[in-house]
Amino acid sequence: DGGITQSPKYLFRKEGQNVTLSCEQNLNHDAMYWYRQDPGQGLRLIYYSQIVNDFQKGDIAEGYSVSREKKESFPLTVTSAQKNPTAFYLCASSSRTGEAFFGQGTRLTVV
Amino acid sequence: KNQVEQSPQSLIILEGKNCTLQCNYTVSPFSNLRWYKQDTGRGPVSLTIMTFSENTKSNGRYTATLDADTKQSSLHITASQLSDSASYICVVSATGDDYKLSFGAGTTVTVRA
Repeated sequence: DGGITQSPKYLFRKEGQNVTLSCEQNLNHDAMYWYRQDPGQGLRLIYYSQIVNDFQKGDIAEGYSVSREKKESFPLTVTSAQKNPTAFYLCASSSRTGEAFFGQGTRLTVV
Repeated sequence: KNQVEQSPQSLIILEGKNCTLQCNYTVSPFSNLRWYKQDTGRGPVSLTIMTFSENTKSNGRYTATLDADTKQSSLHITASQLSDSASYICVVSATGDDYKLSFGAGTTVTVRA
């Protein structure tokens, strides 16, 4: 089936650790996005990419890094510089017609 | 800068009542606008899509409107049910090379019995 897959669903991070969230799509979409969502809050854009080997910072990129080495994959690394990483992270992809497909999300908790 | 603003940020309604959510955008050149529903802890799913030439579109108890001149859209929920409790997100796409989607922050709807 075509779709977008995020993994893991739940992730726990110790203080000072870097962790990487996976996002894979087989929809042949050029654009991919990472969003952060805090309880009771809306989506906030972390990074986006419209083409392989290119990505742009969103509104809250500090403490995060991404790569886009393949069209299908857009992993997000939450670095130790991100002081408040506990949140729900959503990955999305879109075609040029504008329809966005979302993953089921990764809930990251600092322990 | 392309922006999408939604209002209200949150609202509480009684089961069976109606409500309307607003979405204002500055995205240009406009391609289409979609409304998504996001249940808690899940990824958003598409409700409706509106293109430039469409004014109204319904999906069951959800009715979306679009005024491309004023760059406003609304989502009307009729006879609300407890299962309508969710976040509703407005997403606007542009045409051309910079077709990056612009997402609103969402409106959280809580339906109470």
